[in-house]
Amino acid sequence: AQSVAQPEDQVNVAEGNPLTVKCTYSVSGNPYLFWYVQYPNRGLQFLLKYITGDNLVKGSYGFEAEFNKSQTSFHLKKPSALVSDSALYFCAWPLYNFNKFYFGSGTKLNVKP
Amino acid sequence: DSGVTQTPKHLITATGQRVTLRCSPRSGDLSVYWYQQSLDQGLQFLIQYYNGEERAKGNILERFSAQQFPDLHSELNLSSLELGDSALYFCASSVGQNSNQPQHFGDGTRLSIL
Repeated sequence: AQSVAQPEDQVNVAEGNPLTVKCTYSVSGNPYLFWYVQYPNRGLQFLLKYITGDNLVKGSYGFEAEFNKSQTSFHLKKPSALVSDSALYFCAWPLYNFNKFYFGSGTKLNVKP
Repeated sequence: DSGVTQTPKHLITATGQRVTLRCSPRSGDLSVYWYQQSLDQGLQFLIQYYNGEERAKGNILERFSAQQFPDLHSELNLSSLELGDSALYFCASSVGQNSNQPQHFGDGTRLSIL
């Protein structure tokens, strides 16, 4: 079945260190892939998306993601983590006909001072 | 602020009851999506409307229904409520009908079934 997977339930990083939140996909064809962030007691916020073109996508709040077709991955990265980055991060993709939208299981990012 | 408004923020009711959740999309957005977020099932797509018409259905139960009105606000109706329906329900909106566009989320309605 086509899907995205987030292999880590939780990621712990020290402030100032680089962070990576992992996402792998099992989607036929050329996938569209998204990252969203959810802060406590809030709705999700769009961070970035990959459609086609450059494999490195830059998004909001200094985040970027690298699309890697050979490894079927779309990992979210940031060079220097902030305590305020602590949140729940979701990888997501629209089904091929673009009318349904599926989210990964989410990864909780904890950035410690 | 996403521009998407959901009411009420919290709802507490009993099993067997019916509730209506309301969503006002961001100005200019024609699509409305409904999602359910629970601890055991994660974030699940329920249904999408575009300019008043149902566009896509996800994992929506038959006890649940939705509609989008001419002014583009949407309502999600949940009936014959069960304990397992306790969850956070999100509405999101986007400009077009295809879900390859960024969606803007409201802050959700937390539904608690006693």
